[in-house]
Order: sequence, then C-alpha cells, then structure tokens
Amino acid sequence: GDSVTQMEGPVTLSEEAFLTINCTYTATGYPSLFWYVQYPGEGLQLLLKATKADDKGSNKGFEATYRKETTSFHLEKGSVQVSDSAVYFCALSDLGDKIIFGKGTRLHILP
Amino acid sequence: DARVTQTPRHKVTEMGQEVTMRCQPILGHNTVFWYRQTMMQGLELLAYFRNRAPLDDSGMPKDRFSAEMPDATLATLKIQPSEPRDSAVYFCASGLAPSGTEAFFGQGTRLTVV
Repeated sequence: GDSVTQMEGPVTLSEEAFLTINCTYTATGYPSLFWYVQYPGEGLQLLLKATKADDKGSNKGFEATYRKETTSFHLEKGSVQVSDSAVYFCALSDLGDKIIFGKGTRLHILP
Repeated sequence: DARVTQTPRHKVTEMGQEVTMRCQPILGHNTVFWYRQTMMQGLELLAYFRNRAPLDDSGMPKDRFSAEMPDATLATLKIQPSEPRDSAVYFCASGLAPSGTEAFFGQGTRLTVV
C-alpha cells in the first residue's frame, strides 16, 4: 500500500541555519503531496502542497519540490527561526482519497 | 473563520467506561477523517467518511471502536469499553473531495484512560 517515510528526529539547529527534512513516498497512483506542521497542543496545519511532478509548493519561507523520478518531497528553508520549532509531517493523498502521514520530524531551533 | 471543532478537548476516564468524542466538520466539506496520535505509533488513520458514508474503517479496532456521522454537521467516535492503551490524542479532520485534497484538522481530544 501507499506509504510515506521521513527522516527521524529530533532535528536541532541554530537560528538562521539551513533546514532540510527528507521525505520519500511509495504510491501506486499519482498522489498529491503535502507538508503539515503541528505546534504544541494544536492540530496539524497544512504548510504547503504539490499536486504534480516538478511542482514546487511554498509557504512562510518553506519550499518542497515534487520529484517523481526519486519519489521525494524534501522540505527546505533557507534560514530558520525559533518560531519554526514544531513537528513536521510529510503526507500523500492518492486520487483525492485518504491522507497517509509519515511519522513526523520534531524540529528544535535554538536562539 | 471556518474550522473543525472537536469536543471535549480533554477527557479522563476509568477503564471500562464508554467514551464519546464529537467533531463538527467545516460546513460544506464532504469528507471526514478520524486519526489517533501517540508517541509510539505516530498518526494513525482510524476511519474516514465521504458524504456521511464510511469508506474505510480498517484502522479501527472493531470490537470496541465505532464511528458514525448522524448528519453532515456531526461525526462521532465511540470507545466502549475503554482501555488504558486507548490513551492518545484523537484528531478529526475534514476536506472537500475531489476538488480539494488537503485536510483541515481540529485541535484534538486528549484522552486518558486510567
């Protein structure tokens, strides 16, 4: 079945560092890909999405490019802030069907 | 500001008791998901509905869990009898298929079974 694999955390960085969180997927169809973010005590919020190959999703300085050839959707940000500390989830949805999430990556940003 | 509303936000109950969690999806959304989040298992899909009909509940322990949508504005998740291993945060999310593929999450119900 469909699945999502993302790098395990926690990831600890200093403020203004470059961030990469790796995500790869397995799908039988041609899925839409997402990154969600979860702040403490909150539900998940959509951070960005991409619906077809080579699409780049972007929001709040974060970017991810849909790479069909490598089945990847890595999350990047050029300069992280303390306020980016959260748990990040990679996810896919195939044919508008159920959404499958990775296990999440906890990010700590040190001032 | 449209949002998914879950009640209660927190629930502490004794083992063996019935627990009911409620969710009000965003008005107009036709898809509702129930997820369970734990440290060990991460985010697990329990069940989901499209136009109030259950599409997949394979992630749910059938002997004690049940999910329903009595109407388009209410989804419920029941556990009877509850067990300590059910302690988790339960999230409801809604979406609009097929035009929108993402899900909008509620703030969750933190369940503790003692």
